[in-house]
Amino acid sequence: DQQVKQNSPSLSVQEGRISILNCDYTNSMFDYFLWYKKYPAEGPTFLISISSIKDKNEDGRFTVFLNKSAKHLSLHIVPSQPGDSAVYFCAARAAGNKLTFGGGTRVLVKP
Amino acid sequence: DTEVTQTPKHLVMGMTNKKSLKCEQHMGHRAMYWYKQKAKKPPELMFVYSYEKLSINESVPSRFSPECPNSSLLNLHLHALQPEDSALYLCASSQDRWSGGPGDTQYFGPGTRLTVL
Repeated sequence: DQQVKQNSPSLSVQEGRISILNCDYTNSMFDYFLWYKKYPAEGPTFLISISSIKDKNEDGRFTVFLNKSAKHLSLHIVPSQPGDSAVYFCAARAAGNKLTFGGGTRVLVKP
Repeated sequence: DTEVTQTPKHLVMGMTNKKSLKCEQHMGHRAMYWYKQKAKKPPELMFVYSYEKLSINESVPSRFSPECPNSSLLNLHLHALQPEDSALYLCASSQDRWSGGPGDTQYFGPGTRLTVL
């Protein structure tokens, strides 16, 4: 039973345009959501997070939106840059800081 | 500084070997985690240590044995592994586990790529 899903395994976007990554979850007990970026052969790098009591959090080029009623969050990257090409994982946090990760979305930013 | 270091970077071992993975952080974090990541899959939690005590074991086989000698160091002892245990092993740490806020954010090390022959 996948509690966190990223339904798009890959995304291709032109440099300078917006990248939108989506994530759906089923467990209403999740209280915090995080996005991580991962390059091959490296560990995940924390990007941005949002509390379940918020609907938007912004940090530079990265904005995360949370729609709690739909159990859906999205990550917007504007403008996209070639260095953003990586795999992006959505993660949801349960009590005791247990993270459940989505399957990941591979982003390719074309110059 | 959000650096978590892991050694070795790569490890190849036979099924009868005993080896250890090491993870270190000097951020004063009091929670540390071991994850396993298979190719094209998300990370899966194995163990959680909180204040140097084992808090969570996600039903991991006993051939994996974690150890937390002090608040900065986390080891994973490996013995009699199977080829299907080949994976990227990730360590993470967080300031806390129960603050409910950004202090619980987990920061990951670069991982150890393990191959079991």
